[in-house]
Amino acid sequence: SAVISQKPSRDICQRGTSLTIQCQVDSQVTMMFWYRQQPGQSLTLIATANQGSEATYESGFVIDKFPISRPNLTFSTLTVSNMSPEDSSIYLCSGALGQAASEQYFGPGTRLTVT
Amino acid sequence: EDKVVQSPLSLVVHEGDTVTLNCSYEVTNFRSLLWYKQEKKAPTFLFMLTSSGIEKKSGRLSSILDKKELFSILNITATQTGDSAIYLCAVSTGTASKLTFGTGTRLQVTL
Repeated sequence: SAVISQKPSRDICQRGTSLTIQCQVDSQVTMMFWYRQQPGQSLTLIATANQGSEATYESGFVIDKFPISRPNLTFSTLTVSNMSPEDSSIYLCSGALGQAASEQYFGPGTRLTVT
Repeated sequence: EDKVVQSPLSLVVHEGDTVTLNCSYEVTNFRSLLWYKQEKKAPTFLFMLTSSGIEKKSGRLSSILDKKELFSILNITATQTGDSAIYLCAVSTGTASKLTFGTGTRLQVTL
């Protein structure tokens, strides 16, 4: 398995502000992803964090709203920008070992509440 | 659009019962199917299945994949209250290991 840490674990933010979530993975991980889980729903992929280049976003998610960085192999950040109450969710980073068809492990998650 | 469907949506059983959770999928460029257990925030990895007909087993949990019929089952025998959780099925597609999740099955095990 892979060791993945994430911070903060939770935050309460005011609308219009931004929050940056950090994710640290151990060196076995090659691919990193960011997911969102809205209340009562399953996980939805936001983007694939690419090392040293722009993230690959899924349909419905844009860089201006969710800028992602991955400056090296083991660290990534997700920023939730100009927040609204609809952004209240759990945000999870994950890491996959190897390439395709790989086991994927999740960090402990960040519970974000926007008031 | 890739789709993963889990059933039932929720289930209440008594401790000691055996349960079977279902996951069907319609995706392009299938790579693997993964099962997770989610109790609080982070999903915990259970199994990854890539080949049909080969059962994976871990203690009281087991899972099998049918790539012809496009489904997987997760079995839990002799359930315990600690098995109460949401069980998520996800399918990995393409070369980028992207996961598409089902809606999950909420399992409650009562005494």
